[in-house]
Amino acid sequence: DADVTQTPRNRITKTGKRIMLECSQTKGHDRMYWYRQDPGLGLRLIYYSFDVKDINKGEISDGYSVSRQAQAKFSLSLESAIPNQTALYFCATGPRVRLGPDTQYFGPGTRLTVL
Amino acid sequence: ELKVEQNPLFLSMQEGKNYTIYCNYSTTSDRLYWYRQDPGKSLESLFVLLSNGAVKQEGRLMASLDTKARLSTLHITAAVHDLSATYFCAGDRDDKIIFGKGTRLHILP
Repeated sequence: DADVTQTPRNRITKTGKRIMLECSQTKGHDRMYWYRQDPGLGLRLIYYSFDVKDINKGEISDGYSVSRQAQAKFSLSLESAIPNQTALYFCATGPRVRLGPDTQYFGPGTRLTVL
Repeated sequence: ELKVEQNPLFLSMQEGKNYTIYCNYSTTSDRLYWYRQDPGKSLESLFVLLSNGAVKQEGRLMASLDTKARLSTLHITAAVHDLSATYFCAGDRDDKIIFGKGTRLHILP
């Protein structure tokens, strides 16, 4: 089983709809991240979290909100989706206390299309 | 605020040639990461560089870090087609991990 899972994997929705993307991890990591990927723009950080009460804005948080329901779950919501939120969304995790060359571990991605 | 710039953004090269991808970052970074992404896939970690002068090698890829110059490089030796992918570097400041735009590498047979 994958360590970091994302649901759904693909979603098509309409402008104005509320949508939630979910991320779960079995690695026991404290740090969790949401990124969006657009062609030519790389990955841009939306939100990140160290625990259920510690949530931080990233580079492009406007139009998004998050919820850290438990250590293992981190959800990204689009309250009113708009077409320029069409992108590939990645969740990533990492240990909070890093004693060595620990890296981030990425989920498989969610492809979101807003019509 | 940490900003990360990669260049080139696109690189087409012949098999057997050597080349280097550059990653500059704007302020102190606790760590420097390199990732690989194949089309339609997620990101795969290649290297994590922790300190000035760090060098790591895996096969035909070698990454290095110069914290004084705020520069990391990913060197490709005798490129082979299987190395065609997009390569990302990312900086880490207080656990806020910021990515460059990526270098799309196309290796011609």
